[in-house]
Amino acid sequence: IAGITQAPTSQILAAGRRMTLRCTQDMRHNAMYWYRQDLGLGLRLIHYSNTAGTTGKGEVPDGYSVSRANTDDFPLTLASAVPSQTSVYFCASSDSGGIQPQHFGDGTRLSIL
Amino acid sequence: AQSVTQLGSHVSVSEGALVLLRCNYSSSVPPYLFWYVQYPNQGLQLLLKYTTGATLVKGINGFEAEFKKSETSFHLTKPSAHMSDAAEYFCAVSDLGGTSYGKLTFGQGTILTVHP
Repeated sequence: IAGITQAPTSQILAAGRRMTLRCTQDMRHNAMYWYRQDLGLGLRLIHYSNTAGTTGKGEVPDGYSVSRANTDDFPLTLASAVPSQTSVYFCASSDSGGIQPQHFGDGTRLSIL
Repeated sequence: AQSVTQLGSHVSVSEGALVLLRCNYSSSVPPYLFWYVQYPNQGLQLLLKYTTGATLVKGINGFEAEFKKSETSFHLTKPSAHMSDAAEYFCAVSDLGGTSYGKLTFGQGTILTVHP
């Protein structure tokens, strides 16, 4: 079934550790996005990529980095995790950037202790 | 800059009653508007979208929404609630202008509870 795969599904991480959340899509969408979801705040955009080789900052980019080496993969890295990064992280993709709706993965639940 | 406000973080209805979830937006360019639903421990699924054309849009599961430019609103309705509609609903606006390239700005979400 076509869609977005996120890994891991959940993780508990010690503060200060480095962590990469993986996201792979098989729909050949050009645009990909990372959001974090926090209670009462909805989803907030962390980083996005309009096409392979390009990335941009969203609303809450500090403490996170991304890369887009190819069309299918869009990993999100926390270089040195802090407790405020405890959240549920969603990866999404879309074709034609905004004209077509975004498709979402099932999320990664991350706890930083 | 875009923003979305969902009025009411929690809405409770009886099974069979009308569902009305409110969404107001602000956007400097003509908006594309979306409603998504999220069931527990799952990602977001698209319910419906407004891009251009007809202002009343129909989505899945009997939901519909009407784009009202004068009121900057995009409220979600369903004539008769079903127990399976219990979930969290998100309104979102897409900015196609400038450097945003289709990034979504989400509202805070509304949790819908359906009572038997």
